[in-house]
Amino acid sequence: DAGVTQSPTHLIKTRGQQVTLRCSPKSGHDTVSWYQQALGQGPQFIFQYYEEEERQRGNFPDRFSGHQFPNYSSELNVNALLLGDSALYLCASSLLDRGRDGTEAFFGQGTRLTVV
Amino acid sequence: AQSVTQPDIHITVSEGASLELRCNYSYGATPYLFWYVQSPGQGLQLLLKYFSGDTLVQGIKGFEAEFKRSQSSFNLRKPSVHWSDAAEYFCAVGAFGNEKLTFGTGTRLTIIP
Repeated sequence: DAGVTQSPTHLIKTRGQQVTLRCSPKSGHDTVSWYQQALGQGPQFIFQYYEEEERQRGNFPDRFSGHQFPNYSSELNVNALLLGDSALYLCASSLLDRGRDGTEAFFGQGTRLTVV
Repeated sequence: AQSVTQPDIHITVSEGASLELRCNYSYGATPYLFWYVQSPGQGLQLLLKYFSGDTLVQGIKGFEAEFKRSQSSFNLRKPSVHWSDAAEYFCAVGAFGNEKLTFGTGTRLTIIP
């Protein structure tokens, strides 16, 4: 089992550019969540995708958008990059199962984005 | 709104000593509680979780945590730390166990010989 995989591991972009980060969930999982972790902070929830739709969203601007594909993999897109978008972006996968405890979220190793 | 407070930003303990990391949460219903560990530049690894039942939960690497509803706390403990336990520890609260997680700001653990 490969676990949650993210690509790329590191990325450097210039202010104003756009970036796409990718995530493959753990085998058997159907839900993908994205988190932003600024230096010295805890992860902040960006949004969650299930059945190819955004089902929950945190307090992030519309510059942050996502997509989930039929194979459950997901992309995070950030437009018009700001210096403040520099962070570790974490993807987490889980199995959504309403009415039961469900499963905990498994995290990938993250993508370190630096905006210069 | 749910929130998590980890009052200790940085803790230093000697190898072999006991450890307790504090976590207080605010949540309107019965919370789902988690402790994650993060090594430098890495993702998060789940140490343990509490959904329901026994309020003392055992996790990996010899860690345990106790849910105290009356104190809104979920403190992490280990009887004897190892140098490899040096890392950042995050407490998190969520609903249903797989929806949005709210994390604390973390506690950095340093181990001295």
